Amino acid sequence: RKEVEQDPGPFNVPEGATVAFNCTYSNSASQSFFWYRQDCRKEPKLLMSVYSSGNEDGRFTAQLNRASQYISLLIRDSKLSDSATYLCVVNPYPLDTGRRALTFGSGTRLQVQP
Amino acid sequence: DAGITQSPRHKVTETGTPVTLRCHQTENHRYMYWYRQDPGHGLRLIHYSYGVKDTDKGEVSDGYSVSRSKTEDFLLTLESATSSQTSVYFCAISERGGAGMNTEAFFGQGTRLTVV
Repeated sequence: RKEVEQDPGPFNVPEGATVAFNCTYSNSASQSFFWYRQDCRKEPKLLMSVYSSGNEDGRFTAQLNRASQYISLLIRDSKLSDSATYLCVVNPYPLDTGRRALTFGSGTRLQVQP
Repeated sequence: DAGITQSPRHKVTETGTPVTLRCHQTENHRYMYWYRQDPGHGLRLIHYSYGVKDTDKGEVSDGYSVSRSKTEDFLLTLESATSSQTSVYFCAISERGGAGMNTEAFFGQGTRLTVV
C-alpha cells in the first residue's frame, strides 16, 4: 500500500463549481500535512498547510481527519486558473528522528472548463 | 520565491556516463531533498540531507549518490546513467519548525535529464 494515496482524476468541472479532493495516508504517526499545486512542467508550490483544526484561505479549505487518516481539499467557485495537479504531502515523522522526509501523493489533476 | 537554483536545467547524456546535478540554496535551510518525478508515480524521494555531511536514502536511491559538504549545496550523482533514470529531478529545501517538525518545502525549477 502506498504511504499517500490520491485519486489521479482528472476531475473535469465547470467554472463556478465546487470540487473536493481526498487523500489518504497510511502512517498514523504522520505529523505535518500540506497541499501543493503543480502546473504542467513546473515545480510544485505550496498551496496550504493542513492543521488539525482545519484551514481556510479564500476559496480553499483544507481539513484533516486523523481518525480516518485522510486530508481533504475543497475548492469553491472554481476558476479556469485553478486547473492544475494538486499534490497531497505528508511528513510521517519529525525529521530529527532521521527516519523520513516529506512524502508526496501522485497528485489529482483538476481541469476547470469554461 | 525561495532562493533555490538547480543546474543544469536540461541535460542529455549517454548510457553509462556519470552525471552530477547541483542544487544551490541561499536560504540557509537545514534540510535538502532530491526527488524525481515520472508520469504515474508523482514525486519520489531519492535522497535527503538533514545537515552538512548528514544524508539518508529515500525510496528510490539505487543508482544515485549524494553529497553535502556545505549548507548551501546538495549534489546528486548518477554513477552510471541508465535510460530508466530519464526523468525530471527536483531539489527541495525546508527548515525545522516547532516541536521538531519540518516546515513546508520549497522547490527548485527542476532538471530534465534524458539518458540515451
